[in-house]
Amino acid sequence: ILNVEQSPQSLHVQEGDSTNFTCSFPSSNFYALHWYRWETAKSPEALFVMTLNGDEKKKGRISATLNTKEGYSYLYIKGSQPEDSATYLCAFSEGSDYKLSFGAGTTVTVRA
Amino acid sequence: DTGVSQDPRHKITKRGQNVTFRCDPISEHNRLYWYRQTLGQGPEFLTYFQNEAQLEKSRLLSDRFSAERPKGSFSTLEIQRTEQGDSAMYLCASSTTKFWGEGSGANVLTFGAGSRLTVL
Repeated sequence: ILNVEQSPQSLHVQEGDSTNFTCSFPSSNFYALHWYRWETAKSPEALFVMTLNGDEKKKGRISATLNTKEGYSYLYIKGSQPEDSATYLCAFSEGSDYKLSFGAGTTVTVRA
Repeated sequence: DTGVSQDPRHKITKRGQNVTFRCDPISEHNRLYWYRQTLGQGPEFLTYFQNEAQLEKSRLLSDRFSAERPKGSFSTLEIQRTEQGDSAMYLCASSTTKFWGEGSGANVLTFGAGSRLTVL
């Protein structure tokens, strides 16, 4: 079982503020790092997949960075909106592309 | 295509009963996965199919659990003699081995909304 840790477990953000949170994963035998957003009563939705050290991906106000040498990824939300409220899951794959080990998620609540 | 469908969305059963969940993946996706999520945890890998072949099963999948994907289309996950510890959200996902987005080659999962099992 691969140890994928996400921090913090939850956070509250005022609408309009920016925030970020962390995913740490084993740095050996890295294959890919995924981020998913999971809104209540919906399906987890893919945000990013990153495979190269130093990768930076952006989708609207959300962006992510990857450091495979030290084993961490940051997810940033700029100018948080209520629709950003969700649980953000990171998932690590080691050595192959089919099996993901998920962290427990960071639950973001954006207050209007 | 309406995405990945799972049925039923909720199932309440008594301990010792058998339950079966169904997953209909995106039609052109050749890979199908089952994950289980319990409260406060991230999804845990259970098993994986490429077309109709079940290529890996987690040690979490005891012999009370069986998954099939006949003809490489829909999949079923059956739990026999359910126990209270089986209460969880069972997530199905599918993917294609084609490149995604910028050609990274990484395997992006499309999830269903899950089947929540409560064992009384």
